[in-house]
Amino acid sequence: GESVGLHLPTLSVQEGDNSIINCAYSNSASDYFIWYKQESGKGPQFIIDIRSNMDKRQGQRVTVLLNKTVKHLSLQIAATQPGDSAVYFCAENAGNMLTFGGGTRLMVKP
Amino acid sequence: ETGVTQTPRHLVMGMTNKKSLKCEQHLGHNAMYWYKQSAKKPLELMFVYNFKEQTENNSVPSRFSPECPNSSHLFLHLHTLQPEDSALYLCASSQDLEGLRGYTFGSGTRLTVV
Repeated sequence: GESVGLHLPTLSVQEGDNSIINCAYSNSASDYFIWYKQESGKGPQFIIDIRSNMDKRQGQRVTVLLNKTVKHLSLQIAATQPGDSAVYFCAENAGNMLTFGGGTRLMVKP
Repeated sequence: ETGVTQTPRHLVMGMTNKKSLKCEQHLGHNAMYWYKQSAKKPLELMFVYNFKEQTENNSVPSRFSPECPNSSHLFLHLHTLQPEDSALYLCASSQDLEGLRGYTFGSGTRLTVV
């Protein structure tokens, strides 16, 4: 069936480097996407969203890229900090409700 | 604080116990959700309520019983659970079912069934 999934379960980066977390989706009808961050002991927290009529959206230190041709979504974090260590997962909306992906754990090395 | 409050934060219960999880939001949202989060699994949608009416029951066993007395409160009643039900139970709310401004999650209840 349709699903949202993540390429890498764990990503380890050096503090100060840029991080790229990827997400593949299979529902071509999805028109809205969200990235969430979940820190240990907390619920998922909204980071940034993007609609399908855009291919790039920037926030504070984060950028989301959407490639509808290959159904791929990525989250770029600039100058990764220890506080960025968390599980990140994407969610898609195809007109009814959000469907969540499996998550990637980002580990930041000092 | 996100605006969605879940209590208790941690719960240990025996398989014969009855307990309830509580979720409260005062964001003016009309839709509320229960999700189950297990290790190495995606978020599993359990129940959806919209304007206090249940709109989704994602094949959840009857030992989980939701209750939504009003748009601000959501409960999950637990009865005769199994050890495999141990997980983080997350409550979320959204303005509407489409969630086009995203879902706001609580911090979850870490449930351990012994």
